[in-house]
Amino acid sequence: GENVGLHLPTLSVQEGDNSIINCAYSNSASDYFIWYKQESGKGPQFIIDIRSNMDKRQGQRVTVLLNKTVKHLSLQIAATQPGDSAVYFCAETFDTGRRALTFGSGTRLQVQP
Amino acid sequence: EAEVAQSPRYKITEKSQAVAFWCDPISGHATLYWYRQILGQGPELLVQFQDESVVDDSQLPKDRFSAERLKGVDSTLKIQPAELGDSAMYLCASSSDDMTEKYEQYFGPGTRLTVT
Repeated sequence: GENVGLHLPTLSVQEGDNSIINCAYSNSASDYFIWYKQESGKGPQFIIDIRSNMDKRQGQRVTVLLNKTVKHLSLQIAATQPGDSAVYFCAETFDTGRRALTFGSGTRLQVQP
Repeated sequence: EAEVAQSPRYKITEKSQAVAFWCDPISGHATLYWYRQILGQGPELLVQFQDESVVDDSQLPKDRFSAERLKGVDSTLKIQPAELGDSAMYLCASSSDDMTEKYEQYFGPGTRLTVT
């Protein structure tokens, strides 16, 4: 199948462990941040989002943390499963008409069974 | 579950030839985006439509790329002539104007273009 990222940084974890994926974003004026998951041969899939006026948001097995002081975003995945293996991208956008996403560099997550 | 459709999934063409990609967004989504994703990188916006109007095409290489969404539904992205550096994944995404989900973009499976 399609190999999304041949030269991406890779995080390798054991099944059941917690994973933390980090991202440095570029624009301090961004209003909204999103994490996407991209599996081989597929388009990016929405995971979780957070507004710039928040510092933490939790979903099902996932938590996003936002540190605006250092322009840092992280995605925490609890009890990582083999199906979580993919490339993960953070993205940022604005709360205006132009809602196109600016993506950061990705991280490949490999879950060892 | 509604999905964004794209075709073809794969395209191999020789440089200097013309290629076209098609996208059908989720029904009712007014905003449509074309992104280009080079292997190992995140997607980058090429063009954004709001209904049939172009909202942002500042990153579209207009000497060779064109995009249209004539009836505000499906869209076509064309490259003429293709160059070796155009080899990439071309992704289409759409989003709703519903204020509760206006930030969520739904991506299609992409068209993988290889220019030889």
